[in-house]
Amino acid sequence: EVHLVESGGDMVQPGRSLRLSCQASEFIFDDYAMHWVRQAPGKGLEWVSGISWNSDLISYADSVRGRFTISRDNAKNSLYLQMNSLRVEDTALYYCAKDNDGTGSQIDNWGQGILVTVSS
Amino acid sequence: EIVLTQSPATLSLSPGESATLSCRASQRVSSYLAWYQQRPGQAPRLLIYDASNRAAGIPARFSGSGSGTDFTLTISSLEPEDFAVYYCLQRYDWPPIFTFGPGTRVDIK
Repeated sequence: EVHLVESGGDMVQPGRSLRLSCQASEFIFDDYAMHWVRQAPGKGLEWVSGISWNSDLISYADSVRGRFTISRDNAKNSLYLQMNSLRVEDTALYYCAKDNDGTGSQIDNWGQGILVTVSS
Repeated sequence: EIVLTQSPATLSLSPGESATLSCRASQRVSSYLAWYQQRPGQAPRLLIYDASNRAAGIPARFSGSGSGTDFTLTISSLEPEDFAVYYCLQRYDWPPIFTFGPGTRVDIK
């Protein structure tokens, strides 16, 4: 069974930075694209960023482009999200998610999420 | 940019009834359309991928259909555990960009 565990969530002030990590196990990590998806309190799902199996294809939602950077380390079965210039509206539960394809097709597995709170 | 619209926003039904949920795209899209169920306090769960294929372990009462701009998730006979929020997800562009619909809440009537 696919296992995805997020870490790094915290409460930070606007303008500060935070780095999320996702440890993956029980599947061949470097065969699949990966994603970050977030959900603000009481709101719907918002796709944040995705990265292909070999990091050649990277994309971002308009709301985070230029502030967030996705990366992966296949040797460590890990996915990351560097979040800079955080805003109050970035407050959300952040999910690490696995794709069912190497370049990006559809999400088929999710972590339990990690909370990021941006507040002064 | 592709925008997904889900309707209705809320569906109030009784156990045993069938539910029909719609996901409409602002322009013609590929068949990379997925449906997810999210129960309160839980992570989403994949139900349907490629518009009409049931994910592993998903009961046969869940079915997906559609192409082009109009997609449908049907739950043939609602069980108590099916009352939840349902989202559609579409991939478009290259490198791939993804967008979720706003969700449909299925409530117990």
